[in-house]
Amino acid sequence: GAGVSQSPSNKVTEKGKDVELRCDPISGHTALYWYRQSLGQGLEFLIYFQGNSAPDKSGLPSDRFSAERTGGSVSTLTIQRTQQEDSAVYLCASSPTSGRQGEQYFGPGTRLTVT
Amino acid sequence: AQSVSQHNHHVILSEAASLELGCNYSYGGTVNLFWYVQYPGQHLQLLLKYFSGDPLVKGIKGFEAEFIKSKFSFNLRKPSVQWSDTAEYFCAVKREVIKAAGNKLTFGGGTRVLVKP
Repeated sequence: GAGVSQSPSNKVTEKGKDVELRCDPISGHTALYWYRQSLGQGLEFLIYFQGNSAPDKSGLPSDRFSAERTGGSVSTLTIQRTQQEDSAVYLCASSPTSGRQGEQYFGPGTRLTVT
Repeated sequence: AQSVSQHNHHVILSEAASLELGCNYSYGGTVNLFWYVQYPGQHLQLLLKYFSGDPLVKGIKGFEAEFIKSKFSFNLRKPSVQWSDTAEYFCAVKREVIKAAGNKLTFGGGTRVLVKP
């Protein structure tokens, strides 16, 4: 079946611009996660959505970062006023449950380059 | 804060050699443990996972890992590697909590493995 998809695959933007990154989770998966993979920081958790519960935003690095998940499916990660340190690969993952058996399935990522 | 440590950043070995990658975590509670692999140009894929039961778990492609609770370790092993095992390997830990929040994975820094043909 179809896996997690993300778009765009690559995004180059100028410092100060806003960007939106999209994630389509696996159909039926209730949990959705965003991570960031960068050279200096490795893989970092950003935000987590589970059903209709309030999202866990504890990993968002600043208030320039926000995310929403509409209708319990597609999610958009928005970065406002991008900075060069935002350059990274942004990964989305989904899982069928948030419980102990909820292994996460990752998408291919969006490579963001801020110039 | 919870952390996950992978001892080796880079490993170079020849085909048919044995591989062992170390992973230690700092959290003292109940954890779920994972190894993910990222082949060149591909996305993260799950190699194996541990939730409970037999501490020796077997994954895909001949990989296995052993959970040693007293050592807070979850080392990955493969008896005989192939050139196609060239990839970056990530250990990840998830705290087992009741509430919905707190299900994030905390990753180690990754180990780049190069298998020479």
